[in-house]
Amino acid sequence: RKEVEQDPGPFNVPEGATVAFNCTYSNSASQSFFWYRQDCRKEPKLLMSVYSSGNEDGRFTAQLNRASQYISLLIRDSKLSDSATYLCVVGTDSWGKLQFGAGTQVVVTP
Amino acid sequence: DVKVTQSSRYLVKRTGEKVFLECVQDMDHENMFWYRQDPGLGLRLIYFSYDVKMKEKGDIPEGYSVSREKKERFSLILESASTNQTSMYLCASRQGGTNEKLFFGSGTQLSVL
Repeated sequence: RKEVEQDPGPFNVPEGATVAFNCTYSNSASQSFFWYRQDCRKEPKLLMSVYSSGNEDGRFTAQLNRASQYISLLIRDSKLSDSATYLCVVGTDSWGKLQFGAGTQVVVTP
Repeated sequence: DVKVTQSSRYLVKRTGEKVFLECVQDMDHENMFWYRQDPGLGLRLIYFSYDVKMKEKGDIPEGYSVSREKKERFSLILESASTNQTSMYLCASRQGGTNEKLFFGSGTQLSVL
């Protein structure tokens, strides 16, 4: 079983709509959580960290549910430029070794 | 802005060749990483280094070695390339620990024929 699992998608989203997707992790001792964004043929870049109380960054909202061991990402008012693969990343030890999910592809259509 | 530079964007090698992938970062980061990315598998950690001359195995170190002689440079070595090492290789650096942002290089697409 993979340590971090994501629905690969694609999630096809009309421009202006809201899309949300989850990521589950298997290690209950995980300590840090992130969403990275990866455009086609580009390197991953940090989108946002995920905090226990949930957090927002503009149109993006991230939530953490420790009891059920998942994190979520919600994108409101989707833009064409939001089309990308979103990688769920979980820190699994005190040093900060990171486990990456395989990514969820989002395609925003006009 | 932090820059992580990988020496080659595309590389084609033959089975059995020794391959060097170079990575340089310009922000004096302590921690450097090598990942490979394959479709459906996500990024998998090969090796990491938290200081000069220090290295630790990641999840898939077999068939690879690394070298960190200077703080800014972290090299990945394929001692004898095999076809199953065909992949996208990503170098990353980070200052500090768990909650710090990873900065990635633009990747090297390696094909082993």
